[in-house]
Amino acid sequence: NAGVTQTPKFQVLKTGQSMTLQCAQDMNHEYMSWYRQDPGMGLRLIHYSVGAGITDQGEVPNGYNVSRSTTEDFPLRLLSAAPSQTSVYFCASSSSLGAGGGYTFGSGTRLTVV
Amino acid sequence: GQSLEQPSEVTAVEGAIVQINCTYQTSGFYGLSWYQQHDGGAPTFLSYNGLDGLEETGRFSSFLSRSDSYGYLLLQELQMKDSASYFCAVSKDSSYKLIFGSGTRLLVRP
Repeated sequence: NAGVTQTPKFQVLKTGQSMTLQCAQDMNHEYMSWYRQDPGMGLRLIHYSVGAGITDQGEVPNGYNVSRSTTEDFPLRLLSAAPSQTSVYFCASSSSLGAGGGYTFGSGTRLTVV
Repeated sequence: GQSLEQPSEVTAVEGAIVQINCTYQTSGFYGLSWYQQHDGGAPTFLSYNGLDGLEETGRFSSFLSRSDSYGYLLLQELQMKDSASYFCAVSKDSSYKLIFGSGTRLLVRP
């Protein structure tokens, strides 16, 4: 009964480095999304996916890439890390009910870019 | 674009009732959701309104008026554990694209 699993939980990167944040869900959910949350602020949508092979941009997609080769996995790639990307990143998934059924969130990845 | 407005902070007394309002401006509106987030934790789903009216789930209720672009979350019989941030979120253009407001920090006092 894992739900949505994000790895790593914490990461420190140097400016210019690249990395992939992993997200996996075991609920056979169709919809998956990535959000970032800055201190004292709401969540901003980075990218989302409505199924394997289908992704789309959210509110703040610049500097991030995603792919969805399987239903279970939705990794987020930072191409060249910048200090402005220091944030907490949440992955979330939902069944075909979408928002009506509620999104299940992972525990987050706390990323610091120095 | 879109915008969601909710108060930044609300304080209430244990056992009381509190209402957190949310007004929105967005095209392609599908519905309004509410999420709770404790400090250091992940958001958790509370409720969803796709149609006008009131939805009740235990101590929590949520209301939507599409004509007024307005909704609220009502928390009854407040408990100390209800101290958290509460986010309204609109489903935009579809049921699966969820856009969040900036959140309301609720402090429950003894």
